[in-house]
Amino acid sequence: DAGVTQSPTHLIKTRGQQVTLRCSPKSGHDTVSWYQQALGQGPQFIFQYYEEEERQRGNFPDRFSGHQFPNYSSELNVNALLLGDSALYLCASSQDRGRADTQYFGPGTRLTVL
Amino acid sequence: GNSVTQMEGPVTLSEEAFLTINCTYTATGYPSLFWYVQYPGEGLQLLLKATKADDKGSNKGFEATYRKETTSFHLEKGSVQVSDSAVYFCALSTDSWGKLQFGAGTQVVVTP
Repeated sequence: DAGVTQSPTHLIKTRGQQVTLRCSPKSGHDTVSWYQQALGQGPQFIFQYYEEEERQRGNFPDRFSGHQFPNYSSELNVNALLLGDSALYLCASSQDRGRADTQYFGPGTRLTVL
Repeated sequence: GNSVTQMEGPVTLSEEAFLTINCTYTATGYPSLFWYVQYPGEGLQLLLKATKADDKGSNKGFEATYRKETTSFHLEKGSVQVSDSAVYFCALSTDSWGKLQFGAGTQVVVTP
């Protein structure tokens, strides 16, 4: 059973560019959440997708957007990149059972903005 | 708002020593509490969880008890190994959709 997968593993961009990160959830999971983990800090919640809609959002600007596809996979898009966007981006999946369920994390995508 | 506070690291121990990582929280309602572990260069792995007061989560020799009266969820292991070297994150969730709020993490270094 494949766990949560993310691509690419590493990415280098320059300021002002746009980036798309991808996530495939664990088999049987229908909910995808994205987190940003800056160096030396705990992950911060960006948003959560369920039934192809953004269901919940953290304190991140509109430059951060996402999408969920019918097969439950998801993308995170960041526009107009800033140096401060350099971080490890983590995807987590879970199954919506009408209550909070354990989230399983992928290995992350390391984004470096120069 | 909700928050999680962990003891600062790094925590350096010798193999077979006893490990405690303190975690306290502030939350409205009755949160679920979690410990996640992050090995070098990897994502987060769920270590254990507890969903109500006095519950004890345990896994791989690690334990933590949900203490509502002290709003704490301290992580303990009786005898650490070099392979336990990692960053440990305490987290809580207060909503039905499972959004997690993390502490800053505690790095643990176990030496032979």
